[in-house]
Amino acid sequence: GAVVSQHPSWVICKSGTSVKIECRSLDFQATTMFWYRQFPKQSLMLMATSNEGSKATYEQGVEKDKFLINHASLTLSTLTVTSAHPEDSSFYICSARGGLRTGELFFGEGSRLTVL
Amino acid sequence: AQSVTQLDSQVPVFEEAPVELRCNYSSSVSVYLFWYVQYPNQGLQLLLKYLSGSTLVKGINGFEAEFNKSQTSFHLRKPSVHISDTAEYFCAVSEGTGNQFYFGTGTSLTVIP
Repeated sequence: GAVVSQHPSWVICKSGTSVKIECRSLDFQATTMFWYRQFPKQSLMLMATSNEGSKATYEQGVEKDKFLINHASLTLSTLTVTSAHPEDSSFYICSARGGLRTGELFFGEGSRLTVL
Repeated sequence: AQSVTQLDSQVPVFEEAPVELRCNYSSSVSVYLFWYVQYPNQGLQLLLKYLSGSTLVKGINGFEAEFNKSQTSFHLRKPSVHISDTAEYFCAVSEGTGNQFYFGTGTSLTVIP
Protein backbone atom coordinates (compact mmCIF):
# COMPACT_ATOMS: atom_id res chain seq x y z
CA GLY A 1 0.00 0.00 0.00
CA ALA A 2 0.91 3.64 -0.23
CA VAL A 3 3.35 4.79 2.42
CA VAL A 4 4.12 8.27 3.67
CA SER A 5 7.06 8.71 5.97
CA GLN A 6 7.83 11.65 8.22
CA HIS A 7 11.13 12.49 9.81
CA PRO A 8 11.97 13.17 12.56
CA SER A 9 9.35 11.57 14.78
CA TRP A 10 10.45 13.60 17.77
CA VAL A 11 12.41 16.81 17.93
CA ILE A 12 13.34 19.05 20.82
CA CYS A 13 14.85 22.42 20.11
CA LYS A 14 15.71 25.67 21.82
CA SER A 15 13.57 28.74 21.41
CA GLY A 16 14.69 30.82 18.43
CA THR A 17 16.06 27.97 16.37
CA SER A 18 14.55 26.55 13.18
CA VAL A 19 13.39 23.00 12.69
CA LYS A 20 12.80 21.14 9.45
CA ILE A 21 10.35 18.24 9.14
CA GLU A 22 10.42 16.04 6.07
CA CYS A 23 7.51 14.21 4.52
CA ARG A 24 8.17 11.60 1.86
CA SER A 25 5.88 9.46 -0.24
CA LEU A 26 7.82 6.21 -0.51
CA ASP A 27 6.02 4.28 -3.22
CA PHE A 28 3.95 6.77 -5.16
CA GLN A 29 4.17 10.27 -6.57
CA ALA A 30 2.36 12.77 -4.41
CA THR A 31 0.99 15.58 -6.52
CA THR A 32 -0.51 17.23 -3.46
CA MET A 33 0.66 17.21 0.13
CA PHE A 34 -1.05 18.64 3.17
CA TRP A 35 0.40 19.76 6.48
CA TYR A 36 -1.67 19.57 9.64
CA ARG A 37 -1.15 20.63 13.19
CA GLN A 38 -2.77 18.76 16.04
CA PHE A 39 -3.11 20.00 19.60
CA PRO A 40 -3.62 17.50 22.44
CA LYS A 41 -7.04 15.85 22.39
CA GLN A 42 -8.06 17.87 19.33
CA SER A 43 -8.66 17.28 15.67
CA LEU A 44 -6.32 18.05 12.84
CA MET A 45 -5.98 21.67 11.79
CA LEU A 46 -5.04 22.10 8.16
CA MET A 47 -2.11 24.48 7.90
CA ALA A 48 -1.34 24.47 4.21
CA THR A 49 -1.69 22.64 0.93
CA SER A 50 1.31 22.24 -1.31
CA ASN A 51 1.41 21.14 -4.92
CA GLU A 52 4.65 20.00 -6.45
CA GLY A 53 6.55 22.82 -8.06
CA SER A 54 4.35 25.63 -6.87
CA LYS A 55 3.92 27.77 -3.79
CA ALA A 56 1.96 26.39 -0.89
CA THR A 57 -1.52 27.65 -0.15
CA TYR A 58 -1.84 28.55 3.51
CA GLU A 59 -4.99 28.46 5.57
CA GLN A 60 -6.22 31.62 7.18
CA GLY A 61 -4.35 32.46 10.33
CA VAL A 62 -1.26 30.41 9.49
CA GLU A 63 1.89 32.50 9.23
CA LYS A 64 3.58 31.64 5.97
CA ASP A 65 6.85 33.24 7.06
CA LYS A 66 6.98 31.12 10.19
CA PHE A 67 5.91 27.84 8.62
CA LEU A 68 7.86 27.50 5.39
CA ILE A 69 6.67 24.73 3.11
CA ASN A 70 8.60 23.42 0.15
CA HIS A 71 7.38 20.74 -2.26
CA ALA A 72 10.28 20.51 -4.64
CA SER A 73 9.64 17.01 -5.91
CA LEU A 74 6.79 14.55 -6.29
CA THR A 75 8.02 12.55 -3.32
CA LEU A 76 9.20 15.15 -0.84
CA SER A 77 7.67 18.07 1.02
CA THR A 78 9.30 19.88 3.91
CA LEU A 79 7.92 22.04 6.70
CA THR A 80 10.36 24.41 8.37
CA VAL A 81 9.31 26.04 11.61
CA THR A 82 11.42 29.19 11.71
CA SER A 83 12.47 30.92 14.92
CA ALA A 84 10.48 28.42 16.94
CA HIS A 85 8.85 29.41 20.21
CA PRO A 86 7.27 27.28 22.92
CA GLU A 87 3.79 27.97 21.53
CA ASP A 88 4.86 26.23 18.32
CA SER A 89 5.18 22.99 20.25
CA SER A 90 2.72 20.59 18.73
CA PHE A 91 2.20 17.40 16.75
CA TYR A 92 2.65 18.03 13.04
CA ILE A 93 1.27 15.54 10.53
CA CYS A 94 1.68 15.47 6.80
CA SER A 95 -0.49 13.68 4.32
CA ALA A 96 -0.29 13.05 0.63
CA ARG A 97 -2.75 12.50 -2.14
CA GLY A 98 -1.69 10.89 -5.33
CA GLY A 99 -1.01 7.66 -7.12
CA LEU A 100 -3.76 5.40 -8.29
CA ARG A 101 -6.05 5.88 -5.31
CA THR A 102 -6.46 9.62 -5.45
CA GLY A 103 -9.63 9.57 -3.38
CA GLU A 104 -7.64 8.75 -0.28
CA LEU A 105 -5.23 10.65 1.90
CA PHE A 106 -2.17 8.82 3.17
CA PHE A 107 -0.74 10.09 6.43
CA GLY A 108 2.74 10.23 7.81
CA GLU A 109 3.51 9.05 11.31
CA GLY A 110 3.59 12.58 12.66
CA SER A 111 6.35 14.67 14.21
CA ARG A 112 6.26 15.79 17.83
CA LEU A 113 7.95 19.20 18.19
CA THR A 114 8.86 20.48 21.63
CA VAL A 115 10.35 23.96 21.86
CA LEU A 116 12.10 24.74 25.14
CA ALA B 1 -17.38 24.23 3.01
CA GLN B 2 -18.26 21.00 4.68
CA SER B 3 -18.94 20.61 8.36
CA VAL B 4 -18.26 17.25 9.97
CA THR B 5 -19.80 16.51 13.34
CA GLN B 6 -18.76 13.75 15.67
CA LEU B 7 -21.27 14.07 18.46
CA ASP B 8 -19.48 11.88 20.97
CA SER B 9 -16.11 13.16 22.10
CA GLN B 10 -15.53 10.20 24.40
CA VAL B 11 -17.00 6.71 24.26
CA PRO B 12 -16.18 4.19 26.99
CA VAL B 13 -17.25 0.63 26.27
CA PHE B 14 -16.57 -2.73 27.85
CA GLU B 15 -14.48 -5.28 26.04
CA GLU B 16 -16.46 -7.53 23.66
CA ALA B 17 -19.41 -5.12 23.66
CA PRO B 18 -20.62 -3.49 20.44
CA VAL B 19 -19.85 0.12 19.67
CA GLU B 20 -21.11 2.82 17.32
CA LEU B 21 -19.27 6.07 16.69
CA ARG B 22 -21.43 8.68 15.05
CA CYS B 23 -20.55 11.01 12.20
CA ASN B 24 -22.71 13.50 10.38
CA TYR B 25 -21.73 15.89 7.63
CA SER B 26 -23.38 19.00 6.33
CA SER B 27 -23.49 19.03 2.56
CA SER B 28 -25.85 17.09 0.36
CA VAL B 29 -23.53 17.13 -2.64
CA SER B 30 -21.73 14.00 -3.68
CA VAL B 31 -19.07 13.22 -1.11
CA TYR B 32 -16.39 10.72 -0.27
CA LEU B 33 -16.39 9.55 3.33
CA PHE B 34 -13.61 8.15 5.48
CA TRP B 35 -12.89 6.91 8.96
CA TYR B 36 -9.37 7.09 10.28
CA VAL B 37 -7.88 5.76 13.53
CA GLN B 38 -5.07 7.40 15.44
CA TYR B 39 -3.05 5.66 18.14
CA PRO B 40 -1.07 7.81 20.61
CA ASN B 41 1.77 9.74 19.04
CA GLN B 42 1.11 8.29 15.63
CA GLY B 43 -0.32 9.45 12.33
CA LEU B 44 -3.72 8.50 11.01
CA GLN B 45 -4.48 5.09 9.56
CA LEU B 46 -7.38 4.51 7.21
CA LEU B 47 -10.06 2.21 8.62
CA LEU B 48 -12.47 2.34 5.72
CA LYS B 49 -13.83 4.57 3.01
CA TYR B 50 -16.93 5.12 0.94
CA LEU B 51 -16.42 6.39 -2.59
CA SER B 52 -19.41 4.87 -4.37
CA GLY B 53 -21.42 1.66 -4.64
CA SER B 54 -22.70 -0.30 -1.66
CA THR B 55 -23.62 1.89 1.27
CA LEU B 56 -22.30 -0.65 3.76
CA VAL B 57 -18.55 -0.50 3.82
CA LYS B 58 -16.31 -2.99 5.61
CA GLY B 59 -12.87 -1.98 6.79
CA ILE B 60 -9.93 -3.30 8.71
CA ASN B 61 -9.99 -4.66 12.26
CA GLY B 62 -13.64 -5.73 11.99
CA PHE B 63 -15.04 -2.22 11.60
CA GLU B 64 -17.82 -1.29 9.23
CA ALA B 65 -19.74 1.86 8.39
CA GLU B 66 -22.96 2.67 6.63
CA PHE B 67 -23.46 5.66 4.37
CA ASN B 68 -26.91 7.17 4.76
CA LYS B 69 -27.42 9.90 2.20
CA SER B 70 -30.81 11.06 3.46
CA GLN B 71 -29.47 11.52 6.98
CA THR B 72 -26.02 12.67 5.81
CA SER B 73 -24.44 10.22 8.19
CA PHE B 74 -21.58 7.74 8.13
CA HIS B 75 -21.61 5.96 11.48
CA LEU B 76 -18.83 3.53 12.36
CA ARG B 77 -19.65 0.24 14.05
CA LYS B 78 -17.97 -2.82 15.47
CA PRO B 79 -19.92 -5.74 16.92
CA SER B 80 -17.30 -6.69 19.52
CA VAL B 81 -14.47 -4.41 20.59
CA HIS B 82 -11.04 -5.36 21.86
CA ILE B 83 -8.67 -3.57 24.20
CA SER B 84 -6.50 -2.80 21.20
CA ASP B 85 -9.30 -0.70 19.68
CA THR B 86 -8.65 2.00 22.28
CA ALA B 87 -7.70 5.00 20.15
CA GLU B 88 -8.92 8.25 18.64
CA TYR B 89 -11.24 7.95 15.67
CA PHE B 90 -11.74 10.65 13.07
CA CYS B 91 -14.44 10.94 10.46
CA ALA B 92 -13.49 12.82 7.30
CA VAL B 93 -15.33 14.07 4.25
CA SER B 94 -14.07 15.06 0.83
CA GLU B 95 -16.11 16.48 -2.00
CA GLY B 96 -14.01 14.87 -4.68
CA THR B 97 -10.68 13.31 -5.44
CA GLY B 98 -8.96 16.65 -5.83
CA ASN B 99 -10.59 18.47 -2.99
CA GLN B 100 -9.80 19.22 0.60
CA PHE B 101 -10.57 16.84 3.41
CA TYR B 102 -12.70 18.03 6.30
CA PHE B 103 -12.20 16.29 9.63
CA GLY B 104 -14.48 15.86 12.57
CA THR B 105 -13.27 16.68 16.06
CA GLY B 106 -12.61 13.06 16.85
CA THR B 107 -14.04 10.45 19.21
CA SER B 108 -11.88 8.91 21.87
CA LEU B 109 -12.81 5.25 22.22
CA THR B 110 -11.76 3.60 25.48
CA VAL B 111 -12.27 -0.12 25.81
CA ILE B 112 -12.60 -1.21 29.41
CA PRO B 113 -11.42 -4.71 30.38
